[in-house]
Amino acid sequence: NAGVTQTPKFRILKIGQSMTLQCTQDMNHNYMYWYRQDPGMGLKLIYYSVGAGITDKGEVPNGYNVSRSTTEDFPLRLELAAPSQTSVYFCASSYLSGSAYNEQFFGPGTRLTVL
Amino acid sequence: GIQVEQSPPDLILQEGANSTLRCNFSDSVNNLQWFHQNPWGQLINLFYIPSGTKQNGRLSATTVATERYSLLYISSSQTTDSGVYFCAVVSDSNYQLIWGAGTKLIIKP
Repeated sequence: NAGVTQTPKFRILKIGQSMTLQCTQDMNHNYMYWYRQDPGMGLKLIYYSVGAGITDKGEVPNGYNVSRSTTEDFPLRLELAAPSQTSVYFCASSYLSGSAYNEQFFGPGTRLTVL
Repeated sequence: GIQVEQSPPDLILQEGANSTLRCNFSDSVNNLQWFHQNPWGQLINLFYIPSGTKQNGRLSATTVATERYSLLYISSSQTTDSGVYFCAVVSDSNYQLIWGAGTKLIIKP
């Protein structure tokens, strides 16, 4: 199992550009999440998905979009990049059955700089 | 919403020392995870511990859910233990993790 993989590892964008951060998991997890981490802080939830075709907003969704067409993939789209979106982005996944929560597993992160 | 507080915010120790990190949370939670973020930014799962005590080598954790706290113990610290230790609790509403601000641990050789 590769677990949760993310691409790219690093990216520099100019203000106003767009990009997609890729996330794939091979653990057959139904829940997937996107978090961002600003320097010296914990992680904040951007969007999450409970399964293919179902997504919902987290704490800080503005400026981002997501889609979930398959169980494995959960891409995060940045439209019109702004300096405030400079951060490290983590994708995570977990498996929930009924109300039984299982631990979340994280990808290696994507470090994004917007100049 | 749930508040998660970690203490101490910073900790500097000599190699070989023991340490205890604390995580307090403001409401009842179903589950709790401890993570180590190494100096390269990688998040490493340490413990998934809704209650009780678990041990993994030199690390152990205890969660007392009824009293709303968890403790992470690190014994015989090594320089590779340096980094930031995060506690995160699960929100019932969407199973998102609510994160503390972390404890930054520096182990000096």
